[in-house]
Amino acid sequence: KQEVTQIPAALSVPEGENLVLNCSFTDSAIYNLQWFRQDPGKGLTSLLLIQSSQREQTSGRLNASLDKSSGRSTLYIAASQPGDSATYLCAVSPSPSGYNQGGKLIFGQGTELSVKP
Amino acid sequence: DAGVTQSPTHLIKTRGQQVTLRCSPKSGHDTVSWYQQALGQGPQFIFQYYEEEERQRGNFPDRFSGHQFPNYSSELNVNALLLGDSALYLCASSLDRAGEQYFGPGTRLTVT
Repeated sequence: KQEVTQIPAALSVPEGENLVLNCSFTDSAIYNLQWFRQDPGKGLTSLLLIQSSQREQTSGRLNASLDKSSGRSTLYIAASQPGDSATYLCAVSPSPSGYNQGGKLIFGQGTELSVKP
Repeated sequence: DAGVTQSPTHLIKTRGQQVTLRCSPKSGHDTVSWYQQALGQGPQFIFQYYEEEERQRGNFPDRFSGHQFPNYSSELNVNALLLGDSALYLCASSLDRAGEQYFGPGTRLTVT
């Protein structure tokens, strides 16, 4: 059974600091991995999607890496800003097989990030 | 181009009642998935609809049912509401069954 874990559960940093959020998963048979941002009481905003054949993806100040063999992904945020304060969620999509033809996302519990001015 | 939309935004129901939540997918998307997110937790997969049929289901009881219409919009129905059903219900759509998922703003359901 696939399980996704995110460490730490909460993180507080001063503005301008570079930071890394961690995500681990127990089954390496994944189709892709997505990082999301969630503001309090709101829906999820997709930040980056990494296909299983890729090692990393970049968007602006964000860089996500994927090491499928070790079951790990990291989200690197450069030069953090107070506007980056939110909960960051990692989710994996299992490889399609049999009944499962893809699309089911399995989420971690998230890392709540606070960036202090 | 409108993204994923959900209605209503908030809902308060009494234990034992039934509720219907609605979702319109992003333009061009034909697959809709529903998730339940309890406070402080990550979202949990409920089920996925494609070509008007339920294609995958998570570990949720039969009280949770759904429907997809020919225009790809979808409904989530929950019968015999329990206090534990209080959560944020999220709808996501994708271009195909294994594609990148785009989420709506969610419906906050409170059961009293």
